[in-house]
Amino acid sequence: EAQVTQNPRYLITVTGKKLTVTCSQNMNHEYMSWYRQDPGLGLRQIYYSMNVEVTDKGDVPEGYKVSRKEKRNFPLILESPSPNQTSLYFCASSFRSAETQYFGPGTRLLVL
Amino acid sequence: GQSLEQPSEVTAVEGAIVQINCTYQTSGFYGLSWYQQHDGGAPTFLSYNALDGLEETGRFSSFLSRSDSYGYLLLQELQMKDSASYFCAVSSGIDDKIIFGKGTRLHILP
Repeated sequence: EAQVTQNPRYLITVTGKKLTVTCSQNMNHEYMSWYRQDPGLGLRQIYYSMNVEVTDKGDVPEGYKVSRKEKRNFPLILESPSPNQTSLYFCASSFRSAETQYFGPGTRLLVL
Repeated sequence: GQSLEQPSEVTAVEGAIVQINCTYQTSGFYGLSWYQQHDGGAPTFLSYNALDGLEETGRFSSFLSRSDSYGYLLLQELQMKDSASYFCAVSSGIDDKIIFGKGTRLHILP
């Protein structure tokens, strides 16, 4: 089954404790992306990757890191989480940026 | 800056037709996409327009006018299950960023 998976689905952590949210896709997509969704603000792109070892900043990259060492995986790293990073996070993938994006199920993060 | 504007809420009656508009201002443009998101779920793709005109997919249609930087999503024969949020999104084409609108909450009355 073609899918994008994210783990964990729910996470409660404390300020400053490094965390990683994993994202994996099995569709051989080149383009992968991370979004955060906050009430009234829609989806905002954090980082995206055009291919292995190619990443770039989206609109809200501050406080986040990503890596793309393999085509299928695109982890999101919060090295020192803060309460303003409490949000719902989605990973998505597609063949190219202009094409259909497939979204993972989301990761709900609470930073205390 | 880059932005997409769409109404925050729309209400319609079951069985009717509803149109959700989206205007965009971006530094580049590849195409306009539409996504549906039910409460508690992930966005799912509905439609994509790269060229001017109407694209039809079952009960859903999407329209694009590149000269007006404008598009809309048309939902026909509304069903209660269409109650959801709808997002327009633009791929800028210059830097491959994707920009989403803030979403339109569609309420359907029986």
